[in-house]
Amino acid sequence: DTAVSQTPKYLVTQMGNDKSIKCEQNLGHDTMYWYKQDSKKFLKIMFSYNNKELIINETVPNRFSPKSPDKAHLNLHINSLELGDSAVYFCASSQDDRAPGAFFGQGTRLTVV
Amino acid sequence: GESVGLHLPTLSVQEGDNSIINCAYSNSASDYFIWYKQESGKGPQFIIDIRSNMDKRQGQRVTVLLNKTVKHLSLQIAATQPGDSAVYFCAENGSGGSNYKLTFGKGTLLTVNP
Repeated sequence: DTAVSQTPKYLVTQMGNDKSIKCEQNLGHDTMYWYKQDSKKFLKIMFSYNNKELIINETVPNRFSPKSPDKAHLNLHINSLELGDSAVYFCASSQDDRAPGAFFGQGTRLTVV
Repeated sequence: GESVGLHLPTLSVQEGDNSIINCAYSNSASDYFIWYKQESGKGPQFIIDIRSNMDKRQGQRVTVLLNKTVKHLSLQIAATQPGDSAVYFCAENGSGGSNYKLTFGKGTLLTVNP
């Protein structure tokens, strides 16, 4: 059983399109995150949710909108995709605020053409 | 290959040697640190963590050392194996006082030569 699963694994799309990435965790964790990893492997947090409530929003353009229908799911919707959005997006979850971001998904490689 | 153009710090060791990967952090308020391993095409994988009330913690073949005085963290891997080849990240919490946010270091590419 995959602890943190994201779909799709690869996403190629044209500029201007809207796309979503889904994430689910079966660990019973309270907190979920989205991270972005650029071409230089730099990992940066975008959002975090605790029990469906937005906790962190790291000055991400408002074209990015996370949605948490329940505490096991955190989806990422991106409007009007731009070339600079190309990156690998990782979902993660942690049990609580004392152990943040311990488990990561496999990543979604987004390529905007 | 995937490493071209990355400009990550790199460490190359022979199989069986011990590896030491270093990390400097900037926030003296950070109280929790994690080392992650990221293999090609995969997500970061938790290796070991340490809280600021400790200066050393050991796992299986790995040891993390924390020096709060100089804000330095290291990961020691004993008897390094080819399967240890990966990018290793340190991460700290406490930046901005938030316990929900990890700040990652740049990463170090470890290459193990057979």
